[in-house]
Parts: sequence; C-alpha cells; structure tokens
Amino acid sequence: QKEVEQNSGPLSVPEGAIASLNCTYSDRGSQSFFWYRQYSGKSPELIMSIYSNGDKEDGRFTAQLNKASQYVSLLIRDSQPSDSATYLCAVNNGNQFYFGTGTSLTVIP
Amino acid sequence: KAGVTQTPRYLIKTRGQQVTLSCSPISGHRSVSWYQQTPGQGLQFLFEYFSETQRNKGNFPGRFSGRQFSNSRSEMNVSTLELGDSALYLCASSLASALYNEQFFGPGTRLTVL
Repeated sequence: QKEVEQNSGPLSVPEGAIASLNCTYSDRGSQSFFWYRQYSGKSPELIMSIYSNGDKEDGRFTAQLNKASQYVSLLIRDSQPSDSATYLCAVNNGNQFYFGTGTSLTVIP
Repeated sequence: KAGVTQTPRYLIKTRGQQVTLSCSPISGHRSVSWYQQTPGQGLQFLFEYFSETQRNKGNFPGRFSGRQFSNSRSEMNVSTLELGDSALYLCASSLASALYNEQFFGPGTRLTVL
C-alpha cells in the first residue's frame, strides 16, 4: 500500500463547475497536508496547506481534512481552463514528505 | 525576491559516473529539501537540510547524499550512477522546517543517465 494515494484521472470538468480531487494516506501519525499544482513541464506550486480537521477556504479553493478517515480533498469552485494541471497531494508524518502520483485535471471551455 | 535556483538545468551522464547538483534557496530560507520526480514513481523525498544539518531522510540508497553550506545553499551528490537515476531532481526551500512551512520549488535539474 502506498503512503499517499490519488485517483490518477484524468478528471474532466466543464468551465464553471466544481472539481473535486481526493487523496487518502496510510500513516495515522501524519501531521501536515498540502495540495500542489503542477503544470506540464513546470515545478509544483503550493495551493493549500491544512493541519487540522475540517475545511479551509482560500478563494476558489477549499481543502478538507478528515484524520479519522485518513482523507484529504480539494474542491475547486468555478473551475477555469487555467486550472488544467496535475494536482499533487502531499503528506508529512513528521519525518518526511510523501507525495501522491497526482490527479490530472482538464477544465473544458 | 529571487526564487529558488538550481544548476545545471540539464545534465547527461553515463552509468558509473557521479554527479553534483546545486540549489540556492530563497534569501532567508534555511531549509532545503530534495526530491526525485519520475513518471512512474512521482515525487519522492530524498532529504531535508536545515542549518547545515540533515534533518530528515527518505528511502534512497547511500549513493544519494547531500550537504548544506552556511549560506543555506545545498548540493546533492549521486555516485555510481544507474540508468534508473534518470529523473527530474527538484529542490524546495522553506523558511524553517518544511513540516509546517510552505515549500517553494526550483525549476529542477533534468538528469539523463546513458
């Protein structure tokens, strides 16, 4: 079992819709959780960080964390074509980061 | 403010050789982490340096090593290169420990081992 699992997709949503990205992790001792966006040929860039159970909103992005279910999600509201990218979930268990292999999102105009 | 810089951007080596990659963090950042990214395995954590000390280490063989200098610049060395070491090597810097601080990634060094 991988430490962090994501549905590789591809996920396609129409412009203006809500995109929902999911991630599960195996280490119950994990302490911090991050969502990164990576455009093709570019480096990852941080979108959101979340450390406690519940929702955290930042603009069109909402991260949700449920430690009991070992589940992290990212919602993108009013999706734009510029949101088309690979989204990486990252989890830190206090010793090292584990990244998922990413979910490819395409927003169709 | 200048971002994270990595040199060289591209590198071609042959099996058995060694290679050294360099990373300059954002000014004021004291933590530098190194990652290997491949299509099959995704992003994998190599190690993190903070104030010239290796703080955390991923599950890579001893052929992969690193160090950090007093100005926070970091180098990563891979000895006895194997074909499977071909990858994009990314470094990321953060103000303090990467555990609770945002990491900023550099553009990466694309290593090809022939």
